[in-house]
Amino acid sequence: RKEVEQDPGPFNVPEGATVAFNCTYSNSASQSFFWYRQDCRKEPKLLMSVYSSGNEDGRFTAQLNRASQYISLLIRDSKLSDSATYLCVVGSNYQLIWGAGTKLIIKP
Amino acid sequence: SQTIHQWPATLVQPVGSPLSLECTVEGTSNPNLYWYRQAAGRGLQLLFYSVGIGQISSEVPQNLSASRPQDRQFILSSKKLLLSDSGFYLCAWSVDNLYEQYFGPGTRLTVT
Repeated sequence: RKEVEQDPGPFNVPEGATVAFNCTYSNSASQSFFWYRQDCRKEPKLLMSVYSSGNEDGRFTAQLNRASQYISLLIRDSKLSDSATYLCVVGSNYQLIWGAGTKLIIKP
Repeated sequence: SQTIHQWPATLVQPVGSPLSLECTVEGTSNPNLYWYRQAAGRGLQLLFYSVGIGQISSEVPQNLSASRPQDRQFILSSKKLLLSDSGFYLCAWSVDNLYEQYFGPGTRLTVT
């Protein structure tokens, strides 16, 4: 079983729609959780941290379910510029464990 | 503000040739530095990390090595490249929070 698993997609979504991704992790002792965004052939960029109480940043909402060991990312009112690969990242033992990413394509 | 530089952006090297990739960070002191590799369709794989000059920890046994000759300089090397070394190499830094890492633009290496 992979340490961090994501649906690779692609998710093809019309502009303006709401889209949600999930990610599961295997290490119950994991301490920190993040979503990164990676554009095609570019470096990953930190999108947001994920807190136990859930957190929101504009159109983006991240949630953590420790009991079920999954993390979610919700994007509302999606824009063309949201097209990218979204990487789920888990911090454990002072290292980051990376998912392979979920590809999102927003269509006009 | 902090910036991180990597070069070259792309590189095509024959099997058996040496490799040297360089990463430098500006605008911060004593950063933690990391080398990752990303293969197509895979998650990032941590290769090396460094918490200070001359301090290198290796995560994956392979034919690559890393050095940190200066506080803000991190170098990835190989004496003889393998086909399996092809990938997207990313340097990253962190300061207070080990888990909040920021990446350079990366080097896309193709070994032929």
